[in-house]
Order: sequence, then structure tokens, then C-alpha cells
Amino acid sequence: EVQLVESGGGLVQPGGSLRLSCAASGFRFSDFWMTWVRQAPGKGLEWVATLKQDGSENFHLDSVKGRFTISRDNAKTSLALQMNSLRVEDTAIYYCARVRLRGSSPYEAFDFWGQGILVTVSS
Amino acid sequence: DIVMTQSPDSLAVSLGERATISCKSSQSVLYSSNELNYLAWYQHKPGQPPRLLIYWASTRESGVPDRFSGSGSGTDFTLTISGLQPEDVAVYYCQQYYSSTFTFGPGTKVDIK
Repeated sequence: EVQLVESGGGLVQPGGSLRLSCAASGFRFSDFWMTWVRQAPGKGLEWVATLKQDGSENFHLDSVKGRFTISRDNAKTSLALQMNSLRVEDTAIYYCARVRLRGSSPYEAFDFWGQGILVTVSS
Repeated sequence: DIVMTQSPDSLAVSLGERATISCKSSQSVLYSSNELNYLAWYQHKPGQPPRLLIYWASTRESGVPDRFSGSGSGTDFTLTISGLQPEDVAVYYCQQYYSSTFTFGPGTKVDIK
């Protein structure tokens, strides 16, 4: 059974940093692109970042470029999102998700999602 | 960036009746070389993670009831729930994965009338 479990969320002041982790199991983690999606309170889903299997290629939402970095450790089957210079508008539930299908293309739907972890940026 | 819009914002449908949600993209998400539309639909219930329902605009994900169907091509797409059930109350999102911004629509809330 595919499982994705996020951790590392919490309350942080504006300008602070936080590192989210996503522990993956139940599938060959190193075969799949992985992604982060967030949902701000009362808002819709927003894609944040996507990372290739070997970490050599990534995409980030414009508003987080230079502040957030997606990374992975295939040996530990773990995905991470390092979030620096956090803003109030980054407050959201952050979901880790798997990009559907093994392969070289990130252009697929997201087929498995974690339960999400809440990040609150507030003074 | 490709902008996704959905209509209506919300709708209420009687049990057993049809619910229809529209999704439009600001540019075509049809890739000419493979004739595939890079469009997915997700169901999102409160307190749960989103669930993939449909990909390639019309292919149902494994385990999704056949009352859910997707159609459309290019820039105009539709999600149809034929015979609404109580467990279908949720917010539904379309998403394009044609470009590396992977944008979602704003969502459509479906309730029981």
C-alpha cells in the first residue's frame, strides 16, 4: 500500500524557516517524480514544487522561488521541502504527492497524496 | 502560465441526479504529438487528502466509480457525476499538467439539494 506521511509543520514567525518531510513507503520511491501541493485556509489547491527521481531537475512555483527548495533522499525514501523567508501567505496545509507513473516525464497527474501537514506563519 | 477556471463555483443536486462541472484552460492542454489532453480531475473532502478521479481528461483512475466521467478537449472540459451519491459531497478541482506550473482550477463545491 502506498503511504505518504508528512511531518515538520508548525507555527513559525514571518521571516523564519521550516523544513517539511514526507516519508514514502509501499512503492519504489526512486522511480517516481514527487511533488508538493498546498492549500491555504479557505482557498483552493496550489502546486508548489516538483522534483525528478534523481534530484537533477525541479520546478518551483514563482512565488516560492529562491525561498523554498524541494529535495529528496532516495536511500531514505523521503521527500523534503525547505522553506525559508516564510511569509504570512505561506500559511497552508502542505501535501506531499506522487506523480503518476514511473518514467522520465513529470507531466502526469498526482495519484497518491499524504494527509497533509499544517504550516502557520504568524507573529 | 496556464490559468484554469471552473464553473459554477458551487452547485446543489438532488440525490441520484446529474452534476456537471465545467473547466476551461487559458490555452490548449492538448499535446498534438500524442493527442492527449493533460487535464486531471480531483475530489477533495474536508479533512482528507485530494483524490485523483480522472486523468488524460477522460481516463478514470483505478477504483473510481463509473458514475464519474470526464470529457472535453483543447481548452474546454467537463466532469460529470451521473447519479449523485451522499459520499460525492466534496470540492472538485481540475488541473492542467501540460506545463510545469501544474495549475489547479479554483474548485467547485458540490452539495446535496
